[in-house]
Amino acid sequence: NAGVMQNPRHLVRRRGQEARLRCSPMKGHSHVYWYRQLPEEGLKFMVYLQKENIIDESGMPKERFSAEFPKEGPSILRIQQVVRGDSAAYFCASSLLSGGNTDTQYFGPGTRLTVL
Amino acid sequence: AQSVTQLDSQVPVFEEAPVELRCNYSSSVSVYLFWYVQYPNQGLQLLLKYLSGSTLVKGINGFEAEFNKSQTSFHLRKPSVHISDTAEYFCAVKVQTSGSRLTFGEGTQLTVNP
Repeated sequence: NAGVMQNPRHLVRRRGQEARLRCSPMKGHSHVYWYRQLPEEGLKFMVYLQKENIIDESGMPKERFSAEFPKEGPSILRIQQVVRGDSAAYFCASSLLSGGNTDTQYFGPGTRLTVL
Repeated sequence: AQSVTQLDSQVPVFEEAPVELRCNYSSSVSVYLFWYVQYPNQGLQLLLKYLSGSTLVKGINGFEAEFNKSQTSFHLRKPSVHISDTAEYFCAVKVQTSGSRLTFGEGTQLTVNP
């Protein structure tokens, strides 16, 4: 059973470009979470999605950031008009259960975004 | 809101020595507790979790943690570390009653020296 897959593993963008980060959850998982890890810091929650629904986006910056998890295909985290402060590692996690009490989140290897 | 404090940002130890990585949390409601390990340039791997029941939880790679409700702590321990345990360790909490987000501490870098 393959784990959580993320691609690309490394992404370099110039200021003002768009970044698209992809996450394929573990087989059978329909709940996806995105976290951001800034240099020398812990992980910060960004957004929680189920298929075709955003459940909790309270950790997402108000502008330039969006996320989706379509019925078919991977979850996408999209950052428009990137700035240097967006440079970070972005981790995706997935869980099996309904996001309630005892679900365990399994993490992907992350996408390391560098903005030049 | 809940928060997690990992009291030591760096812990250097010698191989085969015991180690304790400290974690305290703050929450007005009941939480579940987790420890994850992150090896360089990799994602997070679950070490162990406390959901309910026995307050002493055993995880992978010989690690264990003890939940202390009165002290709001969830310290991670290993009686004898190996070079391969060198990694970043993150403590995290999740509120039982609402939402599914994990709130992480800032991490503790464990470095095991020969």
